[in-house]
Amino acid sequence: DAKTTQPPSMDCAEGRAANLPCNHSTISGNEYVYWYRQIHSQGPQYIIHGLKNNETNEMASLIITEDRKSSTLILPHATLRDTAVYYCIVNDNAGNMLTFGGGTRLMVKP
Amino acid sequence: DAGITQSPRHKVTETGTPVTLRCHQTENHRYMYWYRQDPGHGLRLIHYSYGVKDTDKGEVSDGYSVSRSKTEDFLLTLESATSSQTSVYFCAISDHRDREGAFFGQGTRLTVV
Repeated sequence: DAKTTQPPSMDCAEGRAANLPCNHSTISGNEYVYWYRQIHSQGPQYIIHGLKNNETNEMASLIITEDRKSSTLILPHATLRDTAVYYCIVNDNAGNMLTFGGGTRLMVKP
Repeated sequence: DAGITQSPRHKVTETGTPVTLRCHQTENHRYMYWYRQDPGHGLRLIHYSYGVKDTDKGEVSDGYSVSRSKTEDFLLTLESATSSQTSVYFCAISDHRDREGAFFGQGTRLTVV
């Protein structure tokens, strides 16, 4: 079973920030939080990951709560091309298999 | 983009025939994975490999076998294809040295008729 819980769908207006939540209350101390997205029928694409500190890259920001039981992926200025399914995954980055849950289907609307 | 190629990209085959899908990487990554994706089920792991000749089963391995005789190639074989194996198959690679998790191929759409 997936170790994360995400809302099945969300809408966001184009140009606004998209905040995608993820619950991972059973995360272990050595597990990272990873975010991937899958646009239409393409292969999943890495977005960002973090252990306990907040992280930012050119695509998104990742906010992890102090107790590490939940996180939020932030797309600061969503565009129509950000419409995709977003997956939150916990993994120890030691080669163990990624377990995908249902993800959140984000629809960015004009 | 990471060097990962799946072949073929599309295939239609008949029930009962053997089918082999190939995943080829140029990144020298240790770990390779095969997933299938079906509507309503998301991505599910079939088999994975943690080195040459080292493989293990995932959650939906029945009806599939894999082989990894070289670091760069991970083969998925359907010994006798069934209609329930109609799916989109994704290969992924990863290495613990990576800071970007796993890289996925573009997928193989397999139809068993």
